[in-house]
Amino acid sequence: GQQVMQIPQYQHVQEGEDFTTYCNSSTTLSNIQWYKQRPGGHPVFLIQLVKSGEVKKQKRLTFQFGEAKKNSSLHITATQTTDVGTYFCAGKSNYGQNFVFGPGTRLSVLP
Amino acid sequence: DGGITQSPKYLFRKEGQNVTLSCEQNLNHDAMYWYRQDPGQGLRLIYYSQIVNDFQKGDIAEGYSVSREKKESFPLTVTSAQKNPTAFYLCASSVGHPPRDQHFGDGTRLSIL
Repeated sequence: GQQVMQIPQYQHVQEGEDFTTYCNSSTTLSNIQWYKQRPGGHPVFLIQLVKSGEVKKQKRLTFQFGEAKKNSSLHITATQTTDVGTYFCAGKSNYGQNFVFGPGTRLSVLP
Repeated sequence: DGGITQSPKYLFRKEGQNVTLSCEQNLNHDAMYWYRQDPGQGLRLIYYSQIVNDFQKGDIAEGYSVSREKKESFPLTVTSAQKNPTAFYLCASSVGHPPRDQHFGDGTRLSIL
């Protein structure tokens, strides 16, 4: 079945440093979504990418969808303590109905 | 305010007991989802429903059951057949399926006594 992986599993950065998490699917995705879960909270939708090679920005966050629609990345410029949390990618394969989440990347930001 | 309400926040189950987790939404969303989250892992799909009176198994449906008698409600029953039920359970809804963006409840943390 479809598998979605994310690296790294954990990332500790100093406030002001950049951060990137990578998402890789075993199958081609119809779209990719990113969610953020703060400690003790629930996932919150950030963005959806649909087109091959698409790049979207939200303030300090930059999201990319790979040309082959099998990978994606989230880059945060100049991290802040408010960026702390776990970032999940999720998507639906072109070949199935289920919507699959990656295991997440947990980001810690040291002040 | 529109949103998703899950109850209870914490739940304890005895061996051999079935328990039901509540999920209610007033967002007028057609699709609803149940996920299980274990420590250090992502969300795994248990069941989803695209419309009233219809539901589909997700990746880990064994030991769980659901119903969708009303658009607003999608309760999840954790049966005694689920041998490792201790986890954080999240309910979500979306306008349709596949989800464009999911709105999540605050979750129910289930533990075994």
